[in-house]
Amino acid sequence: GQQVMQIPQYQHVQEGEDFTTYCNSSTTLSNIQWYKQRPGGHPVFLIQLVKSGEVKKQKRLTFQFGEAKKNSSLHITATQTTDVGTYFCAGRTGNQFYFGTGTSLTVIP
Amino acid sequence: DSGVTQTPKHLITATGQRVTLRCSPRSGDLSVYWYQQSLDQGLQFLIQYYNGEERAKGNILERFSAQQFPDLHSELNLSSLELGDSALYFCASSVGGGWSYEQYFGPGTRLTVT
Repeated sequence: GQQVMQIPQYQHVQEGEDFTTYCNSSTTLSNIQWYKQRPGGHPVFLIQLVKSGEVKKQKRLTFQFGEAKKNSSLHITATQTTDVGTYFCAGRTGNQFYFGTGTSLTVIP
Repeated sequence: DSGVTQTPKHLITATGQRVTLRCSPRSGDLSVYWYQQSLDQGLQFLIQYYNGEERAKGNILERFSAQQFPDLHSELNLSSLELGDSALYFCASSVGGGWSYEQYFGPGTRLTVT
């Protein structure tokens, strides 16, 4: 069954508001990757986190990997209409790679 | 454009039939991954090949098989198709064989089984 869950499943925000999606795994992950999939498009790699407690920033996006390496979050500051899409986390446990259930973000102009 | 190509873009077929999906990785990438994306199951990892050899296996049904050829392109074969196999099938590639490499996804093949 699904081992990597994301919440919320859907999020509607007003343009300019912040947005956060949370990724939770039932097992310890060796790494966590984040992907963005625009409507009708394919997943596009955003970033990878490897170390416990790691924080990385990309302009308005902040990514965190939990201390126990079982959870992660993606925070977007001051959303823009270009942020619309589904955000997936993905991580490795053993020799398996699991994608999270995804959070679909809608930005209302 | 990720550099990964997939053909065909769309495929409509009947239950019980067999189809082959094709993927060409980015130039220089040795790994190919196959994923199935459906509305109720999200993105499911099916199988990975690295330099012609199977590297990892996920939730791939016995009716499905894949291979990677010497020129590194890959094919995913789906047989005895069922309605539930209707989904978007993505291929991705990466330079290395582990799970620590950035994966580049192709545009996908949308399979409809009627």
